Amino acid sequence: AQTVTQSQPEMSVQEAETVTLSCTYDTSESDYYLFWYKQPPSRQMILVIRQEAYKQQNATENRFSVNFQKAAKSFSLKISDSQLGDAAMYFCAYYSGAGSYQLTFGKGTKLSVIP
Amino acid sequence: EAQVTQNPRYLITVTGKKLTVTCSQNMNHEYMSWYRQDPGLGLRQIYYSMNVEVTDKGDVPEGYKVSRKEKRNFPLILESPSPNQTSLYFCASRRGGVTGELFFGEGSRLTVL
Repeated sequence: AQTVTQSQPEMSVQEAETVTLSCTYDTSESDYYLFWYKQPPSRQMILVIRQEAYKQQNATENRFSVNFQKAAKSFSLKISDSQLGDAAMYFCAYYSGAGSYQLTFGKGTKLSVIP
Repeated sequence: EAQVTQNPRYLITVTGKKLTVTCSQNMNHEYMSWYRQDPGLGLRQIYYSMNVEVTDKGDVPEGYKVSRKEKRNFPLILESPSPNQTSLYFCASRRGGVTGELFFGEGSRLTVL
């Protein structure tokens, strides 16, 4: 079974600074998708960014970007110009392109933003 | 508005009293799923459904039942709730066979005393 590991249970960042959240995963498949979801205090799960494994180019969405290292099975999230509204739990997730139909989540990283 | 709707959002109940958490989506998605979220454990899948009348167990199915009689609805049933089922529950849906992005409901906070 695939596993997703987020090694940083908690992190903090100064407002306007940059922070990187780590995620590694274990898989034997070549076709898959990776996601970062944000869960603010409202509890809503919000998709932040998505990466297709077959794409070499790293995905970006405004202030959010990823560093996807397929050989290393690493998928880190970089948040630039951090804002107070970025404070949330962040979950990394893996989805196989074939067979399992499951979105497997890491245990999450709680990000605090310091004014 | 495209959405996944769960009810109730909050519930306190007692051990052994059967309850149902409803889930409905208006996006005509084939795939629906239930997750539970616990501190330090992330989200774990309980059951999923690829389409009407097709359901399968996820990672933590014990103590839960589901049914998928209609495409839009996927209720989660706790026949005899126990305190270890106290958790935050999410229903989610997506189009079948594509990129895997899930659309989540707003969550249901369940406390079993």
